[in-house]
Amino acid sequence: QVQLLQSGAEVKKPGASVKVSCRISGKSLTELSLHWVRQAPGKGLEWMGGYIPEERKIISAQKFQGRVTLTEDTSTDTAHMELSSLRSEDTALYYCATLNVVPVFMGESSKFYYHGMDVWGQGTTVAVSS
Amino acid sequence: EIVLTQSPGTLSLSPGERATLSCRASQSVDSSYLAWYQQKPGQAPRLLIYGASSRATGIPDRFSGSGSGTDFTLTISGLEPEDFAVYYCQQYGTSPRFTFGPGTKVDIK
Repeated sequence: QVQLLQSGAEVKKPGASVKVSCRISGKSLTELSLHWVRQAPGKGLEWMGGYIPEERKIISAQKFQGRVTLTEDTSTDTAHMELSSLRSEDTALYYCATLNVVPVFMGESSKFYYHGMDVWGQGTTVAVSS
Repeated sequence: EIVLTQSPGTLSLSPGERATLSCRASQSVDSSYLAWYQQKPGQAPRLLIYGASSRATGIPDRFSGSGSGTDFTLTISGLEPEDFAVYYCQQYGTSPRFTFGPGTKVDIK
């Protein structure tokens, strides 16, 4: 059974960077499609980026491109999300989550079906304040 | 960019009643990539439905999903006390790859 354990809360000043970790247990990170979703206080869910199987790479949402760095350390089964140039609007709860991927192989090609984000970390609070 | 709109914003119902939540997309969505989540205060989201109509593991059968194209529906056939929460739809498509709707809050009347 896959479990995700995230690093602890952070308080940062505007302009600083923050790095949030997500340690996977129960499966190897190489077997998973790991994603990052954030939620500002009282607001909805916002996808930041993650591993897209059909593209075989980690992709970040355009909104965050240039500010977010998503990395995966397969030696420790830990994923990291680093967000730079922090501003007050980045104050949020940051989640990692695994996307349930079902590949279907059709001859020389394959299609990936995404069966939702079925395992979530506990969330990491990031507060940005001067 | 596909934008998801959810309605109503808030649904006030009594336990035992039927809840019908709508998710409308600005462009046609592959129903294979439409999911629904439940979120309770202080908790991470929980996957309910994927592929527009398939229940995730362990989800009670009072939860059902339907729809295609631009219109999708989550139905809770008889609300239990633990079902009062916020519900989000989500789709996968072109940039941004994943988008969520703004959510529908189901609260106790």
